Amino acid sequence: GENVEQHPSTLSVQEGDSAVIKCTYSDSASNYFPWYKQELGKRPQLIIDIRSNVGEKKDQRIAVTLNKTAKHFSLHITETQPEDSAVYFCAASIVSDMRFGAGTRLTVKP
Amino acid sequence: NAGVTQTPKFQVLKTGQSMTLQCAQDMNHNSMYWYRQDPGMGLRLIYYSASEGTTDKGEVPNGYNVSRLNKREFSLRLESAAPSQTSVYFCASSRDGPNYGYTFGSGTRLTVV
Repeated sequence: GENVEQHPSTLSVQEGDSAVIKCTYSDSASNYFPWYKQELGKRPQLIIDIRSNVGEKKDQRIAVTLNKTAKHFSLHITETQPEDSAVYFCAASIVSDMRFGAGTRLTVKP
Repeated sequence: NAGVTQTPKFQVLKTGQSMTLQCAQDMNHNSMYWYRQDPGMGLRLIYYSASEGTTDKGEVPNGYNVSRLNKREFSLRLESAAPSQTSVYFCASSRDGPNYGYTFGSGTRLTVV
């Protein structure tokens, strides 16, 4: 099955700086790559996703890039704010299966 | 529009007891899922239901059973709880399979003593 690795496991940045989280996947047939944000004690929530026919997607301060050849994708958050502090999960899916990375705990220091 | 509703929010069981976690969605989604979340291990799929009338095992199905009661409801049963099943359980739904974004329920924190 698909295997998704996520790095780093923890990330601390100053407010206003950028944050980058990287994921790699193993199955070249994977074609959908969502990112979820989970605040402490809350449910994961979809924040952005990208499909394999697109290389980059942006939504205000967040963007996701996909390199199919290298089988890796990344989440970029610009101008970070304290409310961006959360655990972020990447995921990769094929037709019948979605696998999640282990998560990155992002802390934005005011 | 409540999204995905899970009950209960918290539960403490003794080893060997049984219980059922309930999940319902009101988004007319075809697919539903049960995940468990353990520290440092992300979200692991227990069982899923691609559509009404079908269920399949996920990555960690041992010790669990599921029922897709109708299009809205998907329950998870622990027949004989074990301490290794202490976890946070999330139900989720998607429009049609894992190639669409998931909507998660609020989670059930289960402790087995």
